[in-house]
Amino acid sequence: AQKVTQAQTEISVVEKEDVTLDCVYETRDTTYYLFWYKQPPSGELVFLIRRNSFDEQNEISGRYSWNFQKSTSSFNFTITASQVVDSAVYFCALSNGSGNTGKLIFGQGTTLQVKP
Amino acid sequence: DTGVSQNPRHKITKRGQNVTFRCDPISEHNRLYWYRQTLGQGPEFLTYFQNEAQLEKSRLLSDRFSAERPKGSFSTLEIQRTEQGDSAMYLCASSSGLFYEQYFGPGTRLTVT
Repeated sequence: AQKVTQAQTEISVVEKEDVTLDCVYETRDTTYYLFWYKQPPSGELVFLIRRNSFDEQNEISGRYSWNFQKSTSSFNFTITASQVVDSAVYFCALSNGSGNTGKLIFGQGTTLQVKP
Repeated sequence: DTGVSQNPRHKITKRGQNVTFRCDPISEHNRLYWYRQTLGQGPEFLTYFQNEAQLEKSRLLSDRFSAERPKGSFSTLEIQRTEQGDSAMYLCASSSGLFYEQYFGPGTRLTVT
């Protein structure tokens, strides 16, 4: 079965702190794709990153970085020097390569609150 | 490049009524997805279109739900004989390729009273 687990339901930090959002996935496929989305209070899901299972290189984009480790089936997301505008619900999602639709399987999300 | 649009943004209906939602994907995207999101949960897949063909439907999609994508452009999702359990945010997304990132619309929030 395919599954995404985001064990942290809510995280609260003070502005400028670093914060890591955890994501653990389960799949039997050897080819799969992992995603992170941000859902701000306005409600619209915003795409952040896509990773395929053959590329374990970590990625950095500004204050955002992602750590993909196949050995632990994890795809964690770190925000450095958090800002109030980072407050949102963050979702990790999985798409299995054996399927022919590309549908996303989402975790339950982590609500991040950044206080000034 | 305009994003994915959905109409209406909000819909309040009485139990037993039929409702229809519309999604306009990004113009060059041939793949279109519908998801449903309830409070405190991640979106759940409902159905998928490649061009005008509906290629997968989730078991979540009961017989009261039907979706179409005529001519491979906009899509509609209809719910017949609505129930209170249908209250949720209905999200539409589109993508330009298989396993590519999906871009989401703002959603239609349905409230069944």
